[in-house]
Amino acid sequence: EVQLVESGGDLVRPGGSLRLSCAVSGFTFSRYWMSWVRQAPGKGLESVANINTDGNEKYYVASVEGRFTISRDNAQNSLYLEMNSLRAEDTAVYYCARGDLRNYNGLDVWGQGTTVTVSS
Amino acid sequence: DIQMTQSPSSLSASVGDRVTITCRASQGISDYFNWYQQKPGKAPRLLIFAASRLQSGFPSRFSGSGSGTDFTLTITSLQPEDFATYFCQQTFTTPPTFGQGTKLEIK
Repeated sequence: EVQLVESGGDLVRPGGSLRLSCAVSGFTFSRYWMSWVRQAPGKGLESVANINTDGNEKYYVASVEGRFTISRDNAQNSLYLEMNSLRAEDTAVYYCARGDLRNYNGLDVWGQGTTVTVSS
Repeated sequence: DIQMTQSPSSLSASVGDRVTITCRASQGISDYFNWYQQKPGKAPRLLIFAASRLQSGFPSRFSGSGSGTDFTLTITSLQPEDFATYFCQQTFTTPPTFGQGTKLEIK
């Protein structure tokens, strides 16, 4: 069974840091681009970042560039999102998803999400 | 950034109804366009990709059409499990952007 399981979400103060993880199983992780998408409470979906198969090509939306870092460990079948200088507007459920955010074919498998709350 | 505008924002319909949801892009995006279905408390699921191609696992009562700036999601003969929020997405240019969502509710 194809499965993505996020973890690492927490309550953090503005300016703080957090590292999200996404554990993958059921498919050959190293063959797929991977993405992070977030959803603020009661709001729509927002692209965050994505990464190519070997980790040497990364894309970030402007609102997180310079603060967030996407990475992956193909040996561990894991995707990560390092988040620094967190702001209240980063509060959201963060989903990892299989595929390239910018690809014609969409994101075809999603995790259940992990909640990040930025508040003092 | 390309703006994606869905209409309506919410829609009430009955089981068995045919419904249509539209999404308009602020500039032409060819068919670099996807639809996602999201149920409360759940992750989104890819429903339609490349404007008209049905993702495996979804029944044929779902269909997508359009190209350029105007796109349509049609659900024929609504079933109870179809009540959800639907989001459109463009992947033509960066940043990839989503519509605000259309909440399909039971009448």
